[in-house]
Amino acid sequence: LAKTTQPISMDSYEGQEVNITCSHNNIATNDYITWYQQFPSQGPRFIIQGYKTKVTNEVASLFIPADRKSSTLSLPRVSLSDTAVYYCLVGDIGNAGNMLTFGGGTRLMVKP
Amino acid sequence: NAGVTQTPKFQVLKTGQSMTLQCAQDMNHEYMSWYRQDPGMGLRLIHYSVGAGITDQGEVPNGYNVSRSTTEDFPLRLLSAAPSQTSVYFCASSPGLNVLDTQYFGPGTRLTVL
Repeated sequence: LAKTTQPISMDSYEGQEVNITCSHNNIATNDYITWYQQFPSQGPRFIIQGYKTKVTNEVASLFIPADRKSSTLSLPRVSLSDTAVYYCLVGDIGNAGNMLTFGGGTRLMVKP
Repeated sequence: NAGVTQTPKFQVLKTGQSMTLQCAQDMNHEYMSWYRQDPGMGLRLIHYSVGAGITDQGEVPNGYNVSRSTTEDFPLRLLSAAPSQTSVYFCASSPGLNVLDTQYFGPGTRLTVL
């Protein structure tokens, strides 16, 4: 899997939009970008996956610029329950091997 | 539909003891895996299986054994517990055979080795 870089932590307030950027300068042509969310004392949970431009689901949006060297996970109007660690992963979904490397992730703290 | 279940939730062992962490899924997923997560760190793959009767090593397999006799169950055995194995253990399953397919994680087992 390609190496990714994320901020270690972020703070936000309830109701705000939060954008977490992941840098993946060495992303390959066939690589997809996947984000997981992990609440304290729980296993990670899949949030969203995309290849280019924009992907949106009921939880978040994923913005990927044309050069694909970075991506931004956008959480609209966060609440206290969005406090979690967010992991960015990049790899070829057709040939990723079997190593899911989460790295340190971004610790988001939502304050009232 | 219970998803991925793990037992026990907590366990304390003494150095040298052995035990089995249980993992079961009721989604008929072929791919199952075990990860450990040390404090403040990401997850590291221990062992994985792409179907009943098939297992393989991940990034950190030493000190652990696995077997996959059924699609539903994937137990992790600690052969002789060491303090370095103190960690939270997560089991995951996936409908696809690619690690970037959506992984469904269990609630974890928090293991302390004294």
